[in-house]
Amino acid sequence: EPEVTQTPSHQVTQMGQEVILRCVPISNHLYFYWYRQILGQKVEFLVSFYNNEISEKSEIFDDQFSVERPDGSNFTLKIRSTKLEDSAMYFCASKITGVSYEQYFGPGTRLTVT
Amino acid sequence: DAKTTQPPSMDCAEGRAANLPCNHSTISGNEYVYWYRQIHSQGPQYIIHGLKNNETNEMASLIITEDRKSSTLILPHATLRDTAVYYCIVKGGNYGQNFVFGPGTRLSVLP
Repeated sequence: EPEVTQTPSHQVTQMGQEVILRCVPISNHLYFYWYRQILGQKVEFLVSFYNNEISEKSEIFDDQFSVERPDGSNFTLKIRSTKLEDSAMYFCASKITGVSYEQYFGPGTRLTVT
Repeated sequence: DAKTTQPPSMDCAEGRAANLPCNHSTISGNEYVYWYRQIHSQGPQYIIHGLKNNETNEMASLIITEDRKSSTLILPHATLRDTAVYYCIVKGGNYGQNFVFGPGTRLSVLP
């Protein structure tokens, strides 16, 4: 069964450094999402992406965040200058079309900022 | 999107049915009820969704009351692997929109 994959599974970085989290959505999916979950808290929406542009973003997704689909398979989340409070699990999700109901989530990347 | 209310935690004996309730009294006519679960910090996993009719798939059944103000997710024969946080989400339409996850119900399936 096709699945969303994410790399790395765990990333440790120092405060102020840039990180890129990578996702490979399911191949025929057209809608892509990033969510995050701070330890012990709720899953929070960050951004959705369709047709090579951001379709919706939350107030968490400020100027230090960016997303890109650099080729036909990868979907990346970049954090320009990490802060301690960016430590969280980051989940990528994808959906086949706008009329489909089910978002498929990846296993997540645990980001630890020290 | 309508707000949902779920109990914070529930226990269920292994092999028994787990019935997880959700209240969504402000749901509007075009909003769907979705259920996802999250097993121990893994990515959320889709379970089922419905509009007004009851639904069943290989994982679960969804019972929606006639007035649509509440619903129940039923896992017919819970196993230890069903221990997870279960999220009830009400969402209008489906065109590329994100999900808003609440705190959910932590279901513990006990041996």
